[in-house]
Amino acid sequence: EPEVTQTPSHQVTQMGQEVILRCVPISNHLYFYWYRQILGQKVEFLVSFYNNEISEKSEIFDDQFSVERPDGSNFTLKIRSTKLEDSAMYFCASRPTGTAYEQYFGPGTRLTVT
Amino acid sequence: QKEVEQDPGPLSVPEGAIVSLNCTYSNSAFQYFMWYRQYSRKGPELLMYTYSSGNKEDGRFTAQVDKSSKYISLFIRDSQPSDSATYLCAMRLAAGNKLTFGGGTRVLVKP
Repeated sequence: EPEVTQTPSHQVTQMGQEVILRCVPISNHLYFYWYRQILGQKVEFLVSFYNNEISEKSEIFDDQFSVERPDGSNFTLKIRSTKLEDSAMYFCASRPTGTAYEQYFGPGTRLTVT
Repeated sequence: QKEVEQDPGPLSVPEGAIVSLNCTYSNSAFQYFMWYRQYSRKGPELLMYTYSSGNKEDGRFTAQVDKSSKYISLFIRDSQPSDSATYLCAMRLAAGNKLTFGGGTRVLVKP
């Protein structure tokens, strides 16, 4: 069964460094998302991406964040200058086309900012 | 008032029992409803999705939506120890993309 994959599974970085989290959505899905989950808290929406542009973003997704689909398979989230409070699990998700609305999540990248 | 509320649990049941989970929401504009299962430090796994009021069944799982009461439920029949996980409800507006999640209910199924 096709699934969303994410790399790396765990990333440790120092405050102020840039990180890039990578995702390979399910083939033929055209809607892509990033969510995050701070330990012990709810899963929170960050951004949605369709047709090579951001279609919606939350207030969390400020100028420090950016997303990109550099080729036909990868979808990336970049955090330019990480802060301690960026430590969280980051989940990529994708959605089928058409009227389907269900989103399929990857296993996540655990980001630890020290 | 939180947009989506879910009892955090833990909900402990013996193996074979029915697990009953629910979420309430405040925004009547939510139209699409999903249930996810999440094991510790893993990604949410989609279990059920529906957009209409009423029941939807899939194997041991039944999802129920009552839009008039702004209340959704998930029932797990013949529960197994492998069902021990956190169950998240999520919902979406008719227009838009983001899912709004509940905080999750931790379920423990004891052998």
